[in-house]
Amino acid sequence: GAGVSQTPSNKVTEKGKYVELRCDPISGHTALYWYRQSLGQGPEFLIYFQGTGAADDSGLPNDRFFAVRPEGSVSTLKIQRTERGDSAVYLCASSLGGRREELFFGEGSRLTVL
Amino acid sequence: GNSVTQMEGPVTLSEEAFLTINCTYTATGYPSLFWYVQYPGEGLQLLLKATKADDKGSNKGFEATYRKETTSFHLEKGSVQVSDSAVYFCALSDQDNQGGKLIFGQGTELSVKP
Repeated sequence: GAGVSQTPSNKVTEKGKYVELRCDPISGHTALYWYRQSLGQGPEFLIYFQGTGAADDSGLPNDRFFAVRPEGSVSTLKIQRTERGDSAVYLCASSLGGRREELFFGEGSRLTVL
Repeated sequence: GNSVTQMEGPVTLSEEAFLTINCTYTATGYPSLFWYVQYPGEGLQLLLKATKADDKGSNKGFEATYRKETTSFHLEKGSVQVSDSAVYFCALSDQDNQGGKLIFGQGTELSVKP
């Protein structure tokens, strides 16, 4: 498909485990974003990539969270030593990369930490 | 810091009723303002936007006017349809933002009954 693709759509894990969430942006989009959405809340910014580099990672809550985009396309959000409070829907979005461009969102990866 | 406040939901309307969803913001300078919509089972998608004071964004019969004097960006539609049932998010992007770092409100769920 032509949209932003996120896998897995659902992930259940145990407290303390390591988790990887994948995002495949729209082809040709240079900018990629990760957001986190807790139940009943709006999306909360985590990190923004322009190409391969993280242009703004100010939203990552702590050093257990890390994201990469090694070839400037697919990105992986990595969460170490998961905690119950990490349970949320993790959203990925991409854009053409200019100022105030429209963001195109994936359907999200729902993470549940037991 | 920058923030967005939306009216709480859920909002339940009958088909063809008039819709207003209030949104106010706090930001320095001249942010861009957005409404995103999330239909059931789908990712967030841009509904409309306005990038400067007094601009009116419009799409699919929805409108919102950027009011700097009242720091508001209320969403309106003259006659809602069942297919408009969704969660609506107001968001801002501050003027210094080079990318897509959006600050979202908590979302307002709209349910339209036949």
